[in-house]
Amino acid sequence: DTEVTQTPKHLVMGMTNKKSLKCEQHMGHRAMYWYKQKAKKPPELMFVYSYEKLSINESVPSRFSPECPNSSLLNLHLHALQPEDSALYLCASSQDLNSYNEQFFGPGTRLTVL
Amino acid sequence: ELKVEQNPLFLSMQEGKNYTIYCNYSTTSDRLYWYRQDPGKSLESLFVLLSNGAVKQEGRLMASLDTKARLSTLHITAAVHDLSATYFCASMNYGGSQGNLIFGKGTKLSVKP
Repeated sequence: DTEVTQTPKHLVMGMTNKKSLKCEQHMGHRAMYWYKQKAKKPPELMFVYSYEKLSINESVPSRFSPECPNSSLLNLHLHALQPEDSALYLCASSQDLNSYNEQFFGPGTRLTVL
Repeated sequence: ELKVEQNPLFLSMQEGKNYTIYCNYSTTSDRLYWYRQDPGKSLESLFVLLSNGAVKQEGRLMASLDTKARLSTLHITAAVHDLSATYFCASMNYGGSQGNLIFGKGTKLSVKP
């Protein structure tokens, strides 16, 4: 299995809702990432997990809460989001945090906040 | 702070023509990544360049890295419509925050018959 999967593919939520994005990989990778991509912009790193521990938090607002339950799963819990949080959320994984290892991206979740 | 710049940002090509996309980065780095993104889709890894002088080719695409000039190029040979997509280069700070992949703004390539 050489892919990263993400669910759901699309999500529409109101500003008072609580929802979660899920990411899964079965490549034995020990580093997992969340990126946010606005339309016509490059991806921007949000969080990095290494061996199930949060390694990097790029000053992301607390309405985004990551969780890594095990080495194959990565969640992003969403609460009280704003319309400007609407974007494509991409999950990625790599063998570890050694920067020589390429990152493999999932298909993304298209999030719309009303 | 590492900055990655690509040019051009938009490229309209005719089928069968050759062209080059340039990627400059601002600080010392010995690794450079190229990704392709189709509209509404995720990023597909194209090339990983890990040393000065590295050259990799896949089909009509060839990527190279010159760490002394802090420059990577993505050369397109005899373009075909299927190559239409947005191409991103990305790098990391040498010895910096591992995992912090910094992307260029992307080059939107349109190949016309």
